Amino acid sequence: EVHLLESGGGLVQPGGSLRLSCAASGFTFSSYAMNWVRQAPGKGLEWVSGIRGSGGSTYYADSVKGRFTISRDNSKNTLYLQLNSLRAEDTAVYYCAKAVVAAGTAPLDYWGQGTLVTVSS
Amino acid sequence: QLVLTQSPSASASLGASVKLTCTLSSGHSTYAIAWHQQQPEKGPRYLMKLNSDGSHSKGDGIPDRFSGSSSGAERYLTISSLQSEDEADYYCQTWGTDIVVFGGGTKLTVL
Repeated sequence: EVHLLESGGGLVQPGGSLRLSCAASGFTFSSYAMNWVRQAPGKGLEWVSGIRGSGGSTYYADSVKGRFTISRDNSKNTLYLQLNSLRAEDTAVYYCAKAVVAAGTAPLDYWGQGTLVTVSS
Repeated sequence: QLVLTQSPSASASLGASVKLTCTLSSGHSTYAIAWHQQQPEKGPRYLMKLNSDGSHSKGDGIPDRFSGSSSGAERYLTISSLQSEDEADYYCQTWGTDIVVFGGGTKLTVL
């Protein structure tokens, strides 16, 4: 059974940093692209970033490019998202999601339960 | 620009059927999409991948009550024999070169 468990969320001041983690199990982690998707309070889903199974290519939404960094450790079956220069508008629940293929963008077929990031002074 | 458009809300009676619509932007009518369900206070759940020809493949454990179809740039999700647990937000998702796009979501109310 596929399982994705996010952690690392919390309260951070504007301009601060945070690192989110997503522990994966139940599938061959390195064989699938992974993504981060966020949802601001009361709003819809917004794609944030994606990374190929090999980790060789990464993709970002314009809203986070240059501030967020996605990475993965296939030996630990773990996905990461480094959040820097945080703004109030980055406040959201952050979900990790598995893609159906190894490379490129694709349907997301499994989701975690999310971790809340709150940016506030 | 790759954009997905969904109606903000829909409603239907318990036991009835409902058809939700997701519209692809101009020039993208051949794109496949995915449908996701988000019940209140839960993470999203993948329902299916839907191709431009209407063929679709459902996620693990998705009931037969959920089906998909396509016409031109429109992608549909039909839910039959509506149950109370179907009351949720429904999002369509598509993908392009180096980008993933979500529609704004449709809030389905089961009356």
